[in-house]
Amino acid sequence: KAGVTQTPRYLIKTRGQQVTLSCSPISGHRSVSWYQQTPGQGLQFLFEYFSETQRNKGNFPGRFSGRQFSNSRSEMNVSTLELGDSALYLCASSAGLAGASGDEQFFGPGTRLTVL
Amino acid sequence: GNSVTQMEGPVTLSEEAFLTINCTYTATGYPSLFWYVQYPGEGLQLLLKATKADDKGSNKGFEATYRKETTSFHLEKGSVQVSDSAVYFCALPFLSGGGADGLTFGKGTHLIIQP
Repeated sequence: KAGVTQTPRYLIKTRGQQVTLSCSPISGHRSVSWYQQTPGQGLQFLFEYFSETQRNKGNFPGRFSGRQFSNSRSEMNVSTLELGDSALYLCASSAGLAGASGDEQFFGPGTRLTVL
Repeated sequence: GNSVTQMEGPVTLSEEAFLTINCTYTATGYPSLFWYVQYPGEGLQLLLKATKADDKGSNKGFEATYRKETTSFHLEKGSVQVSDSAVYFCALPFLSGGGADGLTFGKGTHLIIQP
């Protein structure tokens, strides 16, 4: 079974621009979660989508948004980029069974975003 | 939401030493608890988990017991190897109650095993 894939792997943007990252989950998984990883703050939860609906959201400003398509692929968008948005963005997929918050999450390799 | 605190490293040990990485959590109810590991050059992967109080998760010689009295989930291994060098993350669901995935993680502990 193919793992979680993320594109692109590397991105360089300038302040004020916007960016879209893509994530393809493991086949059959319906839940996709996004995380931001930085040396200072560690791994922080952004949001989670299940069956095209945002089901869970972390404590990030509205500049960070996402969506999920009917094939479970997901995108996240960051508008008006700031220097502090430079980070590794990780996507994870899981079966997302309703009521089963103990589902194992499978992580992709991440997209490294650099904001200049 | 829920939160987790774990000891930060780096932690440097000699091969065959005993390992403990402390993890404590704050949560509503009794959510599942996880340890994830990130080996050099690889993605984050699940090491072990426990789904209810007093459960013991185990994998690759690592163990962790869900202690609701002390709200802890410490990771232990009796004899570490050089290949265990990695960053270890304690995690639990961002929100308790089920019905939604997404995890909150500790800051990570960088473990270095010297031969």
